[in-house]
Amino acid sequence: AQRVTQPEKLLSVFKGAPVELKCNYSYSGSPELFWYVQYSRQRLQLLLRHISRESIKGFTADLNKGETSFHLKKPFAQEEDSAMYYCALKGAGGTSYGKLTFGQGTILTVHP
Amino acid sequence: NAGVMQNPRHLVRRRGQEARLRCSPMKGHSHVYWYRQLPEEGLKFMVYLQKENIIDESGMPKERFSAEFPKEGPSILRIQQVVRGDSAAYFCASSPQATGELFFGEGSRLTVL
Repeated sequence: AQRVTQPEKLLSVFKGAPVELKCNYSYSGSPELFWYVQYSRQRLQLLLRHISRESIKGFTADLNKGETSFHLKKPFAQEEDSAMYYCALKGAGGTSYGKLTFGQGTILTVHP
Repeated sequence: NAGVMQNPRHLVRRRGQEARLRCSPMKGHSHVYWYRQLPEEGLKFMVYLQKENIIDESGMPKERFSAEFPKEGPSILRIQQVVRGDSAAYFCASSPQATGELFFGEGSRLTVL
């Protein structure tokens, strides 16, 4: 069974501090991992995906298969990063399409 | 491109009534997904549709719930004989291909009295 765990429901940091949002997953094969973000009064949108290996808005995330983790990191948080962040997993194989398993989300608050 | 459009944004129903939620995918997107978010929980997959076909409904409750995506018009998520436990936010998402990169609507919040 697929499972995504985001252990922190709330995370608060000060502007300029590093931030790490934790995500652990359970899946027997080789999954695809994603981070989605929902800013205040906006719709849920894709932030980044592990296969792209890119940095979006200063955020990066590395898939660690040994630790089954996909933590989201940013070295210097900004106030505009305050949002709800969801980690999501897509199983491998042709039948997984857009069937994502989401974590419960982490509300990030960046204080001035 | 207006994005994924969902309506109504808010819907209130009494127990036993029917709820119909509509979703128009982004232009050019033929893959539609419905997710449900119960209070204090993450989004849960319900159903995946392409035009006139239900591809995967493994996340749909076996009774009272149905979904369609007709050749013309929006996708519809229908809940018959609603109960209080159906109160949730229902999100529609679309994608141009069968990938994990989904474009979400703003959601429809159903409240069952």
